[in-house]
Amino acid sequence: ELKVEQNPLFLSMQEGKNYTIYCNYSTTSDRLYWYRQDPGKSLESLFVLLSNGAVKQEGRLMASLDTKARLSTLHITAAVHDLSATYFCAVDMWGGTSYGKLTFGQGTILTVHP
Amino acid sequence: GAVVSQHPSWVICKSGTSVKIECRSLDFQATTMFWYRQFPKQSLMLMATSNEGSKATYEQGVEKDKFLINHASLTLSTLTVTSAHPEDSSFYICSAPRLQILNTEAFFGQGTRLTVV
Repeated sequence: ELKVEQNPLFLSMQEGKNYTIYCNYSTTSDRLYWYRQDPGKSLESLFVLLSNGAVKQEGRLMASLDTKARLSTLHITAAVHDLSATYFCAVDMWGGTSYGKLTFGQGTILTVHP
Repeated sequence: GAVVSQHPSWVICKSGTSVKIECRSLDFQATTMFWYRQFPKQSLMLMATSNEGSKATYEQGVEKDKFLINHASLTLSTLTVTSAHPEDSSFYICSAPRLQILNTEAFFGQGTRLTVV
């Protein structure tokens, strides 16, 4: 059974600071996704990581994937209040040409304060 | 814009009644769609895989007779919660993978908040 673990589960950050959210998973997969969820809303796709060593950046967020270590990171640079949300990583349980069956981490509730 | 549309966004129903939730892929065909459930302050849990033209595959612990899934076309999957009870109140979210050459991605619908009273 695939397990996906995020840490920390709660993150209170000061504006302007940097921090990293970690996502560990238990079985081999080379497809990992990061999502953002605002209260009462569905998921917003942040990053799709499809190979070992993949690194993607968008604004103040950067995600990476190490399939050998079964680890993905979401790095936040110079946090701003607008980044406050819940962040989920999700690992694709399927392989080959089949996609989209995801196992989610527990989520990290990020709060950015002045 | 949204590539997966889910309807309704919220619904309130009485115990014992049934509720149907629709999930549509807007500009691509999806032979497979997925249904997730999310309880307050928890993560998403996969309920079932919806397969176009064949039976859905349910995850362990999900009652197939209670959560009926129909995937009658390449762009539409429906989830019907039958004989709903208050413990079925939750946020239901569908997703559909869109296959692209360089960037296959799983897109999510807007979610449906079900409240059973």
